[in-house]
Amino acid sequence: SQTIHQWPATLVQPVGSPLSLECTVEGTSNPNLYWYRQAAGRGLQLLFYSVGIGQISSEVPQNLSASRPQDRQFILSSKKLLLSDSGFYLCAWSPTGGWGEKLFFGSGTQLSVL
Amino acid sequence: GQQLNQSPQSMFIQEGEDVSMNCTSSSIFNTWLWYKQDPGEGPVLLIALYKAGELTSNGRLTAQFGITRKDSFLNISASIPSDVGIYFCAGQLQGAQKLVFGQGTRLTINP
Repeated sequence: SQTIHQWPATLVQPVGSPLSLECTVEGTSNPNLYWYRQAAGRGLQLLFYSVGIGQISSEVPQNLSASRPQDRQFILSSKKLLLSDSGFYLCAWSPTGGWGEKLFFGSGTQLSVL
Repeated sequence: GQQLNQSPQSMFIQEGEDVSMNCTSSSIFNTWLWYKQDPGEGPVLLIALYKAGELTSNGRLTAQFGITRKDSFLNISASIPSDVGIYFCAGQLQGAQKLVFGQGTRLTINP
């Protein structure tokens, strides 16, 4: 069966510090991978998606970047965090070519930028 | 971008009551999905709908894909404390690929 791992679960970082959140998927090959952000009490905002190694699409202009160095690894980064980067970050995957298929989410990272 | 109108935004009910929430849009959707998010966790898929008019159940949960393909509802019967959480609808627009999410319905249950 497929599993998705996301870490860390909680992160407190000062403004201006770098960020690296990691997500890995097991039990499947060539998944579509996604990073979402959820502001407190709000809906889900798609930040990045990837359909293959090294292929990254950005949905919104922002202070963050994403990379996919391996088939089942997706990384969310920032060189200098802003206060507005605080939020709940979710990694997700779906089967190859399956946008309309089900999205499976990780357990999330609560990021607080102070 | 395209938004789904999910309502209500929040619900406060007594244990044992039935719950109903819905999502509407002015656009046509090919797929409707319903997710539940527990506090501090990622959303978990509850029900997936792929055909207009489709009615699908998952235990005490029932969801329907609207005939017009512009809406969907989720019902929860005989609510229990573990039903507490945020429920999201999501849909795939006709002719598009990415999923669009509603803003969520926060469900609170008084024992």
